[in-house]
Amino acid sequence: GAVVSQHPSWVICKSGTSVKIECRSLDFQATTMFWYRQFPKQSLMLMATSNEGSKATYEQGVEKDKFLINHASLTLSTLTVTSAHPEDSSFYICSAMTGAGNTEAFFGQGTRLTVV
Amino acid sequence: RKEVEQDPGPFNVPEGATVAFNCTYSNSASQSFFWYRQDCRKEPKLLMSVYSSGNEDGRFTAQLNRASQYISLLIRDSKLSDSATYLCVVNIMDSSYKLIFGSGTRLLVRP
Repeated sequence: GAVVSQHPSWVICKSGTSVKIECRSLDFQATTMFWYRQFPKQSLMLMATSNEGSKATYEQGVEKDKFLINHASLTLSTLTVTSAHPEDSSFYICSAMTGAGNTEAFFGQGTRLTVV
Repeated sequence: RKEVEQDPGPFNVPEGATVAFNCTYSNSASQSFFWYRQDCRKEPKLLMSVYSSGNEDGRFTAQLNRASQYISLLIRDSKLSDSATYLCVVNIMDSSYKLIFGSGTRLLVRP
């Protein structure tokens, strides 16, 4: 199946700093990528939909100025958590679809962010 | 009401047991349906797509009832390696396609 690579797999940062997470589709072009957040024992919550060459679409309640998304190419989307705080500590996962509609979504390995 | 609802479990069953998970979704315009499996601290992985006609893959059988907005997953002859969280996932068309996840049902298969 298609491969999505996410980096880093884990990161520890100090409160107030920014962290960038990369999501790459390795063997296909992804016009749309999705960013999710998962807190312990909870489901994946969609944060935003990242569209190549245009602004991301954020879900209700997600601060676009805090979670900056850039999708500059068909194979790379980045999520930057700005001015991170301990409550931002979570598991962040990206995914991409190989096509529109009824197609499988492939997930990155996830990034475990801990803000201290 | 959540868009996709699942019983969180956990379901604790012995090896060899048959176990069934249910899921309901609220958006009647949902396009497609999936079951994903997620192991602890790992990303979700597709288990199977779900079709109205029902589909089977080895020990796993998935069913979709569009009229009732209900999806099911049946696992026969449970293995220890089946222990995981099973996520019911719905693909909806909003301004674009997006996947909405249920909260997951945890399965523990004991020896």
